[in-house]
Amino acid sequence: DAGVIQSPRHEVTEMGQEVTLRCKPISGHDYLFWYRQTMMRGLELLIYFNNNVPIDDSGMPEDRFSAKMPNASFSTLKIQPSEPRDSAVYFCASSLPGRGTEAFFGQGTRLTVV
Amino acid sequence: SQQGEEDPQALSIQEGENATMNCSYKTSINNLQWYRQNSGRGLVHLILIRSNEREKHSGRLRVTLDTSKKSSSLLITASRAADTASYFCATYEETSGSRLTFGEGTQLTVNP
Repeated sequence: DAGVIQSPRHEVTEMGQEVTLRCKPISGHDYLFWYRQTMMRGLELLIYFNNNVPIDDSGMPEDRFSAKMPNASFSTLKIQPSEPRDSAVYFCASSLPGRGTEAFFGQGTRLTVV
Repeated sequence: SQQGEEDPQALSIQEGENATMNCSYKTSINNLQWYRQNSGRGLVHLILIRSNEREKHSGRLRVTLDTSKKSSSLLITASRAADTASYFCATYEETSGSRLTFGEGTQLTVNP
């Protein structure tokens, strides 16, 4: 398996633009997580899905952020409109059935909003 | 807020030496996991220790867990330059759903 695949790896966008980050989890994993990593706040859980259903989105910072998982092999995280403070590395991770199992991370998307 | 807090924040050692990193947490847990992150990359799972375990080994890694003190340590023996990375502990507690809560990490530098 190729692991968790995220795209794009890098994204530079202007303030106010819409940004869409994409994730393909490992086949057979039924949990999918979106994290954000910054120097100031460390690694924060934004939202996670189980069997394509959002379970906990309490970490989503604002209504500008939304996430979807239309099927077991694809998820998106959208920011609309983007702001400079959204600049961070966004990680997608997936894990096998069973709670508390190890998470497999993608390589991340480095987002810069200017 | 971060459940786990790693100590030290940064550690610099010479190749061949042992590196010890500590993690403290606040609530009861079901398991604790350690991850490594190389610069510019995603996190990679190293080892998982359950709340009823006290010590676990994997290659050059040794993890201990003291639930009475709510702390864990990661020991890397005979370190190599390739071990240079950030190391994070993550805690899992059943009541939190399926979330892992990560600490802020220890930056380890192994000098050749």
